[in-house]
Amino acid sequence: DTEVTQTPKHLVMGMTNKKSLKCEQHMGHRAMYWYKQKAKKPPELMFVYSYEKLSINESVPSRFSPECPNSSLLNLHLHALQPEDSALYLCASSQGVSPEETQYFGPGTRLLVL
Amino acid sequence: AQKVTQAQTEISVVEKEDVTLDCVYETRDTTYYLFWYKQPPSGELVFLIRRNSFDEQNEISGRYSWNFQKSTSSFNFTITASQVVDSAVYFCALSEATGGFKTIFGAGTRLFVKA
Repeated sequence: DTEVTQTPKHLVMGMTNKKSLKCEQHMGHRAMYWYKQKAKKPPELMFVYSYEKLSINESVPSRFSPECPNSSLLNLHLHALQPEDSALYLCASSQGVSPEETQYFGPGTRLLVL
Repeated sequence: AQKVTQAQTEISVVEKEDVTLDCVYETRDTTYYLFWYKQPPSGELVFLIRRNSFDEQNEISGRYSWNFQKSTSSFNFTITASQVVDSAVYFCALSEATGGFKTIFGAGTRLFVKA
């Protein structure tokens, strides 16, 4: 089973709203990732968690706040977003965090900020 | 400097044609890993293959085949007898032994397969 699930599939929010994206995997993977993907662009890495600790923050604005409650779950809390934050948000996981590890992606959450 | 180049932005073929998607990479590491992912319109990136820098053996999986050539820093992907279901964006990606946790994606090639 190489499934990563994400909820919700679609989200529309106003600039003053607070919302959260959720990601879950049950493959026993110890690394989890958040990516942002704009239309017709490749995914851009936002955050990496390794063994439930934040390992990489790619200079992401503080209006995005990641959280890893346990090894299977990854959240992305959203607050005071801007319209340019509208994108597909992809979660991924891998067995470990070494460069050879394959990342398995979820279906993504399509976010629209009005 | 762009590390993964997919020069073909879009390719359109008719069903049953063969098509090759090009990927050229740049790295100074001797140990690195190359990946291909497929992204259908639904959005999920689907893992297709991983290759390490020490394994230049070409691989075939059904209608898919990959040609890895270190001499030209290329890792090309061929779909034989394409089908409509192959329509998607295909990403080539690189991770380097010294690159930490980062995977570098190419810009992607959008493949249209027409019936």
